Amino acid sequence: DTAVSQTPKYLVTQMGNDKSIKCEQNLGHDTMYWYKQDSKKFLKIMFSYNNKELIINETVPNRFSPKSPDKAHLNLHINSLELGDSAVYFCASSQSYRTEAFFGQGTRLTVV
Amino acid sequence: KNEVEQSPQNLTAQEGEFITINCSYSVGISALHWLQQHPGGGIVSLFMLSSGKKKHGRLIATINIQEKHSSLHITASHPRDSAVYICAVFQKLVFGQGTRLTINP
Repeated sequence: DTAVSQTPKYLVTQMGNDKSIKCEQNLGHDTMYWYKQDSKKFLKIMFSYNNKELIINETVPNRFSPKSPDKAHLNLHINSLELGDSAVYFCASSQSYRTEAFFGQGTRLTVV
Repeated sequence: KNEVEQSPQNLTAQEGEFITINCSYSVGISALHWLQQHPGGGIVSLFMLSSGKKKHGRLIATINIQEKHSSLHITASHPRDSAVYICAVFQKLVFGQGTRLTINP
């Protein structure tokens, strides 16, 4: 059983489209995260959810919105996609901010 | 300047060498996290530290909260250790820029 799973693994879409990336964890963790890894491989946190409350929201465009229907899921919605949104997006979860995080395999988003 | 700085950014060594990767941070933290990203892209959590030292197999991680510094050591390095190593600090979850390690056989 995969602990943290993301779908899709690859996503190619045109500029201006709206897309979603799903993330599910079966670890019973209270905290989930979304990260963006750019072409230079620098990893940056985008959002963190703890018990369905947004705890950290870095300065990302409001075209990006996290949606958490329940504790096990944190989906990432992106509106009006731009070329600069092309990156690998990672989902992760942890019991708390102070404990080990488990990562999904990443979703490579390509905007053309 | 990043709130979290790693050094070196790139490191190439021969198999069997002792490896040290450093992480310095300027923010207040409650814990520091060492991550490993393989060439295929997957990320694995290695250690979470709030004080002292942890060891897992050939990997050792230390942290000095007063000096705001952590190190990751790899003993008897092996080509399969080749990866990007990233330190991340909590509470604010700020990441270092990563260290690309290449171990040559």
